[in-house]
Amino acid sequence: QSALTQPASVSGSLGQSITISCTGTTNDIANYNYVSWYQHHPGKAPKLIIYGVTNRPSGFSSRFSGSKSGNTASLTISGLQAEDEADYYCSSYASRMYIFGTGTKVTVL
Amino acid sequence: QVQLQESGPGLVKPSQTLSLTCTVSGDSITTNPYYWSWIRQHPVKGLEWIGYIYYSGSTYYNPSLKSRLAISVDTSRNQFSLKLSSVTAADTGVYYCARDCRACRSTSLDYWGQGTLVTVSS
Repeated sequence: QSALTQPASVSGSLGQSITISCTGTTNDIANYNYVSWYQHHPGKAPKLIIYGVTNRPSGFSSRFSGSKSGNTASLTISGLQAEDEADYYCSSYASRMYIFGTGTKVTVL
Repeated sequence: QVQLQESGPGLVKPSQTLSLTCTVSGDSITTNPYYWSWIRQHPVKGLEWIGYIYYSGSTYYNPSLKSRLAISVDTSRNQFSLKLSSVTAADTGVYYCARDCRACRSTSLDYWGQGTLVTVSS
């Protein structure tokens, strides 16, 4: 299984919205609604922010939203805040395994 | 709040066995329907799912690592462990343990440890 493809970096100004794409294949994203997204501040534990394509864990900010079209999933962060600066990874569950994206570094300008 | 903490040597010689333990707190490792996974992050290649164990001892491994891998569980200590044999420099990376909610509605890795860096070098 090959890694899912994400842009290496995305940047935006405070208060803006940004979208991170995650492209897979018919073997993963296209045929399973098991896409999740993780936020990772270096040196800390990665944090689940979206599961099942569109769902947020209890208590997590509504500024984060997920979607999917065909073999591409997307994470949108609205109202960008300084603490959103981190690495973001998508993942698709398929064939008993988790396949991860290549990772996107989000910079808040 | 569920917390996971990886522990083990940070330096392993080539051809030797890499051994790590994950200690779980805030939840019992025998709680249904959770599985317990290992994931690693290569310096360049990104995240790779390694394998899981269920508290009963049932395992599933990434086929690319299966021949060198063993994951075990110690329910009395609320820990699970990873052993990866015949390591090379390609096994260098940060190793994470995580609670695996594949049988939950979320089908995701919902809690992770902070990770531990393992370097394979002589």
